[in-house]
Amino acid sequence: NAGVTQTPKFRVLKTGQSMTLLCAQDMNHEYMYWYRQDPGMGLRLIHYSVGEGTTAKGEVPDGYNVSRLKKQNFLLGLESAAPSQTSVYFCASRYRTGPYGYTFGSGTRLTVV
Amino acid sequence: GENVEQHPSTLSVQEGDSAVIKCTYSDSASNYFPWYKQELGKRPQLIIDIRSNVGEKKDQRIAVTLNKTAKHFSLHITETQPEDSAVYFCAASSQVASGTYKYIFGTGTRLKVLA
Repeated sequence: NAGVTQTPKFRVLKTGQSMTLLCAQDMNHEYMYWYRQDPGMGLRLIHYSVGEGTTAKGEVPDGYNVSRLKKQNFLLGLESAAPSQTSVYFCASRYRTGPYGYTFGSGTRLTVV
Repeated sequence: GENVEQHPSTLSVQEGDSAVIKCTYSDSASNYFPWYKQELGKRPQLIIDIRSNVGEKKDQRIAVTLNKTAKHFSLHITETQPEDSAVYFCAASSQVASGTYKYIFGTGTRLKVLA
């Protein structure tokens, strides 16, 4: 039981490049989330999914796309990376009916130069 | 939109003293309030949570209190130890659709326990 696994752990991108961050969970959680963490700003929700094949926008969705083709995987894509997307990205998941606390992945530190 | 304010942003206490972190939320429909601890370079970990039908919850040295009327909740850590040093985040649930919730996080409190 690995919990929530994020890959990669670190990445440096050049402005304009694209990449995909993968979140995989083996806890059969229905809900999955992508957050970004920036100094002094806490955790801000990018996109979320309440089930396979469904996604929705969070607080800061611009510049990101997501897909949830399988229940256990939630992908975050950056089509054309910008320096403003330099951040630490966390994936989280939880059961629909509880317990309600998130389980977080270990994070991806992304730097866009 | 909904928001959660968290204070203070930094807090230093002597080992053995108590620490209190306060959060205020704006969504009156919020009904779940988790607290997370994040050590340097690590993922946030749930340490305690409280539902809106409860006013206080304790787990060993940590406790959370909730005042729904005032829309604020607090984390209390007693007999602090150096390993309590971390960033603490509060959060409040916010309904996005029928039966579906997201969590709005506070901006975090960096707690330093001085030996």
